[in-house]
Amino acid sequence: AQSVTQLGSHVSVSEGALVLLRCNYSSSVPPYLFWYVQYPNQGLQLLLKYTSAATLVKGINGFEAEFKKSETSFHLTKPSAHMSDAAEYFCAVSDVWNNDMRFGAGTRLTVKP
Amino acid sequence: DAGVIQSPRHEVTEMGQEVTLRCKPISGHDYLFWYRQTMMRGLELLIYFNNNVPIDDSGMPEDRFSAKMPNASFSTLKIQPSEPRDSAVYFCASSFRGTSGYEQYFGPGTRLTVT
Repeated sequence: AQSVTQLGSHVSVSEGALVLLRCNYSSSVPPYLFWYVQYPNQGLQLLLKYTSAATLVKGINGFEAEFKKSETSFHLTKPSAHMSDAAEYFCAVSDVWNNDMRFGAGTRLTVKP
Repeated sequence: DAGVIQSPRHEVTEMGQEVTLRCKPISGHDYLFWYRQTMMRGLELLIYFNNNVPIDDSGMPEDRFSAKMPNASFSTLKIQPSEPRDSAVYFCASSFRGTSGYEQYFGPGTRLTVT
């Protein structure tokens, strides 16, 4: 069965600094990979997804992620953090054959002024 | 599209009472998921349906929890009797098998407090 591990339950950056949120996956079949964002008191919102097309995926709000098969990673980055990026971020994996999506434990991003 | 709709948004009830949470998925979606989110356990998948049929309910914590999907546009999650440890945010999500994978669309959640 597939799974994801998010490294770091809490990441803190200064406004304008690089954001890097780490996600490693485990899957015996080609995976679909996703990043979701959750703002306080809201549901999860899709940021971006990898579905076996381009390995560098661009999402909303300036975020992007790169699929690296050799490293089984799908890290999320943003060149310059904004205060509005403060939220919880979830990495998720499903496979190409079924809809059983598995979420990571989440990483809470804090942006300092 | 209005997105996934959940009701109520907040529910406060006393231990032992029956609680029913409701969900309307996005029109055309054929998968529906129920999740529970707590600080201690994170986001847990409780059950999911495909074409109104329950596929995997292994995440349902115990017999007090039940879920139904009588038609493609409505699902309920029922807890009877409720207990304080059921306090959590419950999310409903829906998806479809498009050409670009199974991305799930989440509702705003129902915050349940059992006193």
